[in-house]
Amino acid sequence: QQPVQSPQAVILREGEDAVINCSSSKALYSVHWYRQKHGEAPVFLMILLKGGEQKGHEKISASFNEKKQQSSLYLTASQLSYSGTYFCGTHGSGNTGKLIFGQGTTLQVKP
Amino acid sequence: DAMVIQNPRYQVTQFGKPVTLSCSQTLNHNVMYWYQQKSSQAPKLLFHYYDKDFNNEADTPDNFQSRRPNTSFCFLDIRSPGLGDAAMYLCATSRDRQGYEQYFGPGTRLTVT
Repeated sequence: QQPVQSPQAVILREGEDAVINCSSSKALYSVHWYRQKHGEAPVFLMILLKGGEQKGHEKISASFNEKKQQSSLYLTASQLSYSGTYFCGTHGSGNTGKLIFGQGTTLQVKP
Repeated sequence: DAMVIQNPRYQVTQFGKPVTLSCSQTLNHNVMYWYQQKSSQAPKLLFHYYDKDFNNEADTPDNFQSRRPNTSFCFLDIRSPGLGDAAMYLCATSRDRQGYEQYFGPGTRLTVT
């Protein structure tokens, strides 16, 4: 089942922060985060494998709460280059290889 | 640089005329995926290869088939494209099926006339 992302869209000014949430109704093995700019392929941001794990990449970080089957992506001090559509992708238990993407969150950063 | 390459980047085909999209990788990854992405939607997995083992998604139409002749190459064949098959087709690779990031190619934009 497709994970649910919220919000669907967000508009920010440069320097503002944003949080994107990803929630699943099924037990999760891992959560992936990707960013896709218009007309381009998705670009990998990070993967979270363990319950309670947090990761950071410059000003973009994420957390994964395995018990709640939720993940959040944190964007701090946003830059114009952060604009795009963010997808979470979830892997359930079982080595099936299937990554199911959420519906996406469109982020627009304005000067 | 190691990468995922898709050809062509843009493909126009006629209704019902078979078309083949290609993907190659220099990453030597075991797994190769084909996704279909329509406008403003998430990528949707069509099928994947784990080495030579083909894994089809239950809701992938029979019209779509795939071949992986070797580790580096994978092809998507659309036997009789319909107007509803117009989309971006993304190829991705990963080292293994669980716990590893997927590397996406630039995609092939398919138009059906």
